[in-house]
Amino acid sequence: GAVVSQHPSWVICKSGTSVKIECRSLDFQATTMFWYRQFPKQSLMLMATSNEGSKATYEQGVEKDKFLINHASLTLSTLTVTSAHPEDSSFYICSASLIAGETQYFGPGTRLLVL
Amino acid sequence: GENVEQHPSTLSVQEGDSAVIKCTYSDSASNYFPWYKQELGKRPQLIIDIRSNVGEKKDQRIAVTLNKTAKHFSLHITETQPEDSAVYFCAASIGNQFYFGTGTSLTVIP
Repeated sequence: GAVVSQHPSWVICKSGTSVKIECRSLDFQATTMFWYRQFPKQSLMLMATSNEGSKATYEQGVEKDKFLINHASLTLSTLTVTSAHPEDSSFYICSASLIAGETQYFGPGTRLLVL
Repeated sequence: GENVEQHPSTLSVQEGDSAVIKCTYSDSASNYFPWYKQELGKRPQLIIDIRSNVGEKKDQRIAVTLNKTAKHFSLHITETQPEDSAVYFCAASIGNQFYFGTGTSLTVIP
């Protein structure tokens, strides 16, 4: 149980394009989903927290107009990187929790490369 | 906000030896402390967790201890095996959010 999927696993795109990443909780309803960014050999950096049906809460320094988050249902959250640039290249990982403050289950991550 | 520090950043041990990773946190309101293992290019996976009302928890070769007074918690891996090699992250939870440590890259030498 507690499986989280993420799609796509790999994205290569041209600078200026937008990229959408989906995060799904497959066998449970997630009250909250989280989006992280991870640079090589570094820790997980929380970008935003999203609850179904409400606006995401962004961490300081994360541009909400650049990283659009939609949490349409209790099993799906999407992150759209708008007008991507090379500096947006990174490993993006989502997680989901059944109960607020309890265990987060991570997706497999999406590696984004912007050329 | 919460600040989690993790040490060491790298750790090499001989197969069969024990490994200990330590984390400290700053906010006494933190009440849940999970440990994640992340292999290269893969997702973090929960290996053990502890809540603030418990001082120690063990699961086979893995144990976690929590000292609320000192605000630190530790991961102990005994009888290490090469497959334990990975990056380990501690985290402290307040409310809805996890605050992660900077990670420890563990290498188990066969």
